[in-house]
Amino acid sequence: DAKTTQPNSMESNEEEPVHLPCNHSTISGTDYIHWYRQLPSQGPEYVIHGLTSNVNNRMASLAIAEDRKSSTLILHRATLRDAAVYYCILRAPPFGNEKLTFGTGTRLTIIP
Amino acid sequence: NAGVTQTPKFRVLKTGQSMTLLCAQDMNHEYMYWYRQDPGMGLRLIHYSVGEGTTAKGEVPDGYNVSRLKKQNFLLGLESAAPSQTSVYFCASISVEGNQPQHFGDGTRLSIL
Repeated sequence: DAKTTQPNSMESNEEEPVHLPCNHSTISGTDYIHWYRQLPSQGPEYVIHGLTSNVNNRMASLAIAEDRKSSTLILHRATLRDAAVYYCILRAPPFGNEKLTFGTGTRLTIIP
Repeated sequence: NAGVTQTPKFRVLKTGQSMTLLCAQDMNHEYMYWYRQDPGMGLRLIHYSVGEGTTAKGEVPDGYNVSRLKKQNFLLGLESAAPSQTSVYFCASISVEGNQPQHFGDGTRLSIL
């Protein structure tokens, strides 16, 4: 299974943009890049996903490198509520019948 | 919207006791999963199910059993609890249709004394 590498922790100031990197150098052509986050004392929640093109939604943006070996989750204006562990994982079809691998993720601390 | 509901939220057991954790989803999802999360670690898959009446082993299945008698419910059982099973347990479900995200419950915090 293709694996991902993320920094263990990052800090950012409130109301500033945050760029969370993820390396996936062994990604295959059919792997989708998914991001989840886990707020304190909660289960993980879906943030965003993409295949090749950059993606935007109400929570964040996902920038994918042209060679797809890395990606960056962008929080445009961090708030204290964004303090969480962020997981970058890869998924390949057929979807659902697979075992998602959640690593240790990146613990994001927001400084007021 | 309820989504994925886990029962109970907290439980303390003595070594050797048995218990069952219940996961219920109201999204008509085919696939369901049980994970455990130990302090400072990521999620590890225990067992999963791709449909009613079917289950499969995940990464760390030893000491656990599961059942999926109804599509909406996925039960995780500990027959003889051990301190090493102290953890936070998360249930998740996912639709079989396309590239849909997993939906997680809020977890069951289990302590084995």
